[in-house]
Amino acid sequence: RKEVEQDPGPFNVPEGATVAFNCTYSNSASQSFFWYRQDCRKEPKLLMSVYSSGNEDGRFTAQLNRASQYISLLIRDSKLSDSATYLCVAFLHGNNRLAFGKGNQVVVIP
Amino acid sequence: NAGVTQTPKFQVLKTGQSMTLQCAQDMNHEYMSWYRQDPGMGLRLIHYSVGAGITDQGEVPNGYNVSRSTTEDFPLRLLSAAPSQTSVYFCASSYESGTGELFFGEGSRLTVL
Repeated sequence: RKEVEQDPGPFNVPEGATVAFNCTYSNSASQSFFWYRQDCRKEPKLLMSVYSSGNEDGRFTAQLNRASQYISLLIRDSKLSDSATYLCVAFLHGNNRLAFGKGNQVVVIP
Repeated sequence: NAGVTQTPKFQVLKTGQSMTLQCAQDMNHEYMSWYRQDPGMGLRLIHYSVGAGITDQGEVPNGYNVSRSTTEDFPLRLLSAAPSQTSVYFCASSYESGTGELFFGEGSRLTVL
């Protein structure tokens, strides 16, 4: 089983709509979680960290569910500029390695 | 402040050739790493370093060597290129080992014929 699994999509979202997607992780000892954004043919960039209490950054909300071992990302009021691939990342302290999911591709349609 | 700089951005090699991908960061980061990204596979860790003089293997180290003689530089060497090494390579660094905020270079697109 992959350490971090994501449904690659694409998720076609009308402009202004809300889109949400989950990412599951296999190692229950994973301690830190993040969402990265990657534009086409560009490098990944940190979008936000995911805290146990959940966190929000503008139109983006991230949640962590340790019991079910998944994290989620919700994008409200989608903009054309939100079109990108969103990478879920889990970190297990002690092995110095971040595990990346394959990404959720989001396409915002005018 | 340039961040993480990778060179070259594009390279075409023939099978069996060797080459070095350069990576430099100017943020005084202790942790540096190399990933490859292939369609449908996501980012996979090749090698990483937690400080000058210290390197370790990631998920897919075979066919690659690294060294870390300075804090700033972390070159990746392909010893004898194979078509399976056709990929996009990203160098990334962070302030300390394992923090989520990795800063990535712009990537190096390598094609092995």
